[in-house]
Amino acid sequence: DVKVTQSSRYLVKRTGEKVFLECVQDMDHENMFWYRQDPGLGLRLIYFSYDVKMKEKGDIPEGYSVSREKKERFSLILESASTNQTSMYLCASSTLTGLDTQYFGPGTRLTVL
Amino acid sequence: DQQVKQNSPSLSVQEGRISILNCDYTNSMFDYFLWYKKYPAEGPTFLISISSIKDKNEDGRFTVFLNKSAKHLSLHIVPSQPGDSAVYFCAASGGSQGNLIFGKGTKLSVKP
Repeated sequence: DVKVTQSSRYLVKRTGEKVFLECVQDMDHENMFWYRQDPGLGLRLIYFSYDVKMKEKGDIPEGYSVSREKKERFSLILESASTNQTSMYLCASSTLTGLDTQYFGPGTRLTVL
Repeated sequence: DQQVKQNSPSLSVQEGRISILNCDYTNSMFDYFLWYKKYPAEGPTFLISISSIKDKNEDGRFTVFLNKSAKHLSLHIVPSQPGDSAVYFCAASGGSQGNLIFGKGTKLSVKP
């Protein structure tokens, strides 16, 4: 059974703080993804990675960066948090050839004050 | 421009009746379609998928229909249960698009 875990379920930070969101998957998946979900906007892709130390921008990368030092771990970094980054953040993973079926973590509800 | 559209933000259905959730897409290169279900404060979970070589895929109470000429797919839930109340996301992939493209979601409410 695929398991994707995220470091926090709920997080409250202040404007200007540096925020780290961690994601770990235990199925040896090559691909990992970070999305944010906002009401009325669906899931929007921030960044994804096909391999260790590799990253690609998604649809809304501004204000974010990522790190993938190990295959099982994909981190999302908010360099200087802003109130418009208050959102639900979702991590997902998939196999190299199974780009289609992504398995999601439980999400982190981030509030930036 | 939205490549995957779910035009109904919400849908309310009586328990035991059929729920029909619709999704339209614009990219004719899409060749794989999925439905995800999401409860509040949880991540989306994969529900059912369909390849473009098929026009129907069934899994228990869930059936997905694909009409390629109309670039339209739908998810049927029969019979609907209160536990089906969630947000349903349609997603597509294929062609030059290496990732999943998600619709904005439809919130289904099944009333007892």
